[in-house]
Amino acid sequence: NAGVMQNPRHLVRRRGQEARLRCSPMKGHSHVYWYRQLPEEGLKFMVYLQKENIIDESGMPKERFSAEFPKEGPSILRIQQVVRGDSAAYFCASSPAGGQLDTQYFGPGTRLTVL
Amino acid sequence: AQSVTQLGSHVSVSEGALVLLRCNYSSSVPPYLFWYVQYPNQGLQLLLKYTTGATLVKGINGFEAEFKKSETSFHLTKPSAHMSDAAEYFCAVILYNTDKLIFGTGTRLQVFP
Repeated sequence: NAGVMQNPRHLVRRRGQEARLRCSPMKGHSHVYWYRQLPEEGLKFMVYLQKENIIDESGMPKERFSAEFPKEGPSILRIQQVVRGDSAAYFCASSPAGGQLDTQYFGPGTRLTVL
Repeated sequence: AQSVTQLGSHVSVSEGALVLLRCNYSSSVPPYLFWYVQYPNQGLQLLLKYTTGATLVKGINGFEAEFKKSETSFHLTKPSAHMSDAAEYFCAVILYNTDKLIFGTGTRLQVFP
């Protein structure tokens, strides 16, 4: 059973470009979480999605960031007009049923560098 | 605001020595507690978690942690360090009625031969 897949693993963008980060959850998992890890910091929650629904986006910056988890295909975290401060590792996690007791399984992350 | 504090961003031990990584949380209601490990360029792997019941929790790779409500702590221990334990360790909580993990800033463990 493959784990959580994220691609690309490394992404380089120039200021003003768009970044698209993809996350394929584990098979059978319908809940996806996105976290961001800034240098020398812990992971910070961004958004929690179920298929076709955003459940909690309290950690998402108000502008330029969006996330989706369509009925078919991976979850996408989209960052428009990237700035240097967006440089970070972005981790996706998935769980089978959501809820506090459900373990979140993490992917290897996408490391975004903004030049 | 609810938070998780990990004392010591770097911990160094000799191979075979006791590992102790500290974690304290601030919450009026005891949350669910987790320890994750991150190896270089990899995602986070769950070591162990406390939800309810026995306060001493055993995890993978010989690690264990004890939930102490009176001290609001959930320290991670391993009796004898191995070189392969070198990694970054994150303590995290999930608060009541939420699904999002709140992480500490991490502790980097170095193991010397």
